[in-house]
Amino acid sequence: EPEVTQTPSHQVTQMGQEVILRCVPISNHLYFYWYRQILGQKVEFLVSFYNNEISEKSEIFDDQFSVERPDGSNFTLKIRSTKLEDSAMYFCASSDVVWRGSSYEQYFGPGTRLTVT
Amino acid sequence: DAKTTQPPSMDCAEGRAANLPCNHSTISGNEYVYWYRQIHSQGPQYIIHGLKNNETNEMASLIITEDRKSSTLILPHATLRDTAVYYCIVRVAGNDMRFGAGTRLTVKP
Repeated sequence: EPEVTQTPSHQVTQMGQEVILRCVPISNHLYFYWYRQILGQKVEFLVSFYNNEISEKSEIFDDQFSVERPDGSNFTLKIRSTKLEDSAMYFCASSDVVWRGSSYEQYFGPGTRLTVT
Repeated sequence: DAKTTQPPSMDCAEGRAANLPCNHSTISGNEYVYWYRQIHSQGPQYIIHGLKNNETNEMASLIITEDRKSSTLILPHATLRDTAVYYCIVRVAGNDMRFGAGTRLTVKP
């Protein structure tokens, strides 16, 4: 069964460093998402991406964050200058195209645990 | 997207049906009801979704009331591996998923 994959599974970085989290969405999906979950808290939406541009972003997704689809298979989240409060699990998700109001489920990857020291 | 209300926790005996309720009294006509679960810190796992008809798949059944203001997720024969946090999300097609606190289901032997 196709699945969303994410690398690395765990990333440790120092405050102020740049990190890139990588995701390979399900191959025929066209909508891509990033979410994060701080330890003990709820899953929070960061950004959605479609047709090579951001379609929606939350207030969390400030100028320190950026997303990119550098090729036909990868989807990345970059944090330019990490802060201690960026420590969290980051989940990538993908879904099929929404068509005529039909709602397609999002499939989530296993996550990348980011630890900022 | 409409807000949902779920009990914070529930217990269920192994082998019995787990019935997880969700209230979404402000749901609008084009909003779907989705259920996801999260085991430990793993990625949320899709379970089922519906618009107004009851739905069933290999994992669960979804019962939506006629007025669509509430729904129930049914796990017909809960196992210890079904212990997880279950999220009920109401969403317009194409929107992102807005997760609440969910219901922590504990399946006990």
